[in-house]
Amino acid sequence: SQTIHQWPATLVQPVGSPLSLECTVEGTSNPNLYWYRQAAGRGLQLLFYSVGIGQISSEVPQNLSASRPQDRQFILSSKKLLLSDSGFYLCAWDRENTGELFFGEGSRLTVL
Amino acid sequence: AQSVTQLGSHVSVSEGALVLLRCNYSSSVPPYLFWYVQYPNQGLQLLLKYTSAATLVKGINGFEAEFKKSETSFHLTKPSAHMSDAAEYFCAVSSGGSYIPTFGRGTSLIVHP
Repeated sequence: SQTIHQWPATLVQPVGSPLSLECTVEGTSNPNLYWYRQAAGRGLQLLFYSVGIGQISSEVPQNLSASRPQDRQFILSSKKLLLSDSGFYLCAWDRENTGELFFGEGSRLTVL
Repeated sequence: AQSVTQLGSHVSVSEGALVLLRCNYSSSVPPYLFWYVQYPNQGLQLLLKYTSAATLVKGINGFEAEFKKSETSFHLTKPSAHMSDAAEYFCAVSSGGSYIPTFGRGTSLIVHP
């Protein structure tokens, strides 16, 4: 069966520090991968999606970047965090381009 | 273009009462529609999905939703609320050439004893 994991689960970082959140999927090949951010009361904001290794599409101009160095690995990064980067970050993969997403457990980032 | 509107950021019901969470969508082509549930500090979990088969869709935990094309709606219902149903619920739509789903802003379901 397929599983998705992301880490770390919780992160507290000072403003201006770097960020790396990692997501891996097991049990499937060539998945579409997604990074979402969830801010309190604001629903889900799509940040990046990827249809293959090295292929990244950015939905929102911001302080963040994403990379896909391997088929089932998706990394969210920042060189210098801002206070506004705080939130709950969710990684997901989809099944057969239907829009049905499978989510990881989430990573809560607090920038102080 | 596709969009989703969830009416009511918070819905409060008593335990045992009917749950009704509203979702209206906009899509230029036949859509796929989804309801997800999110418990505190967790990822989203699929409750049910509509993919152009039966218009009444049954999901997990006793939830169901009905696709009504004429009303562009996909409301989520459950006959009798349980305390464990308290969570955030998201409606989502994907359609046409863009399989990437668009999510609503979510509805927080509060269940009173």
